Amino acid sequence: DQQVKQNSPSLSVQEGRISILNCDYTNSMFDYFLWYKKYPAEGPTFLISISSIKDKNEDGRFTVFLNKSAKHLSLHIVPSQPGDSAVYFCAASVGNSGYALNFGKGTSLLVTP
Amino acid sequence: GAVVSQHPSRVICKSGTSVKIECRSLDFQATTMFWYRQFPKQSLMLMATSNEGSKATYEQGVEKDKFLINHASLTLSTLTVTSAHPEDSSFYICSARKAGGRETQYFGPGTRLLVL
Repeated sequence: DQQVKQNSPSLSVQEGRISILNCDYTNSMFDYFLWYKKYPAEGPTFLISISSIKDKNEDGRFTVFLNKSAKHLSLHIVPSQPGDSAVYFCAASVGNSGYALNFGKGTSLLVTP
Repeated sequence: GAVVSQHPSRVICKSGTSVKIECRSLDFQATTMFWYRQFPKQSLMLMATSNEGSKATYEQGVEKDKFLINHASLTLSTLTVTSAHPEDSSFYICSARKAGGRETQYFGPGTRLLVL
């Protein structure tokens, strides 16, 4: 049962524009959300996170928004760069679960020059 | 930094053999290690959570007798796929959690297993 869903398998954005990656979740117990970036044949690398007590977290070009009532979060990348091309995974965890992560299926982002 | 290595990176084996995959945290001691499996175009699915010196906690549907996990030290966890079959072919990724915040989980590069 997929508790974290990324319904867009792929996204193509022009360099300089904004990339918006979406993620929905079903488990209301999730209290921490993370975005990971993954290149082929490599493990995911941490990008940005947000606690459920916040609705926005910003780090440079990356901003994550959380809408708890809608059980929805999004990652904004602005401006997008070709080096941002990768698969982005949304993940969620419950604080008392030992921090094990529940991942979405990922969204493949392609930033074109 | 926080580096996690996996060995081997790729393995091809015959059906019925056992395969051992190592996960090491190279520059930190991991409080917990996790094993994930990823099928093509699918999400990373948690298989088990491993704490040093204790038995691993397996997720529902994961056979503990098939996927043996040994967490011998704070820097090493091993996953052994016993009597591997073609349906076990997948990408296996480990992660190691460093003491600290919720984002301190670092992933290995993964191991591609192909069972013929």
